[in-house]
Amino acid sequence: LAKTTQPISMDSYEGQEVNITCSHNNIATNDYITWYQQFPSQGPRFIIQGYKTKVTNEVASLFIPADRKSSTLSLPRVSLSDTAVYYCLVGGRMDSSYKLIFGSGTRLLVRP
Amino acid sequence: DTGVSQDPRHKITKRGQNVTFRCDPISEHNRLYWYRQTLGQGPEFLTYFQNEAQLEKSRLLSDRFSAERPKGSFSTLEIQRTEQGDSAMYLCASSLPTGDRIYEQYFGPGTRLTVT
Repeated sequence: LAKTTQPISMDSYEGQEVNITCSHNNIATNDYITWYQQFPSQGPRFIIQGYKTKVTNEVASLFIPADRKSSTLSLPRVSLSDTAVYYCLVGGRMDSSYKLIFGSGTRLLVRP
Repeated sequence: DTGVSQDPRHKITKRGQNVTFRCDPISEHNRLYWYRQTLGQGPEFLTYFQNEAQLEKSRLLSDRFSAERPKGSFSTLEIQRTEQGDSAMYLCASSLPTGDRIYEQYFGPGTRLTVT
């Protein structure tokens, strides 16, 4: 599984757009990029998954450049409730268990 | 509420005691996972079931740990002769077998274990 690197922490203010970038230089051809969110004392929650280009859902967008060596999670107009840890994960269909391999994540603090 | 439940939510035990945790996944999910999370770290994979078959175990799962999923429904994770290093949050997750979002898992609230 490809190793991921993301910032340890980020600060933002309510109403701003937040972009969290993840590096995955050794991503394999079959690998997908997935992001999870975790609030204190809760289990992680799936946010978004993509393979290439751009994916958007009701909570976030995921931008993946052509070389796929990095990805950016974009959270539009964050609120205080978006304060959480965000994890970038990379994995492919070669792993039949589809287990999740988490790093340390990015701690996002949204200030009023 | 994701639909995955875990019991108990908190467990305090003395070193050397045995503990058992239960996970009830979303009913139509045939994949079930256990993870362990310590403070400040991301969750670590422990084991994976597809229906009732335990198909993968992490090296983190020592001989003191055992997991079962009888009849492919709920699952239990037992830790024998607990050690202080076992103190952590134990998370259960479930997922559908196929689909576009292959890495989408639904996590329960976790069981926080404290070994004194």
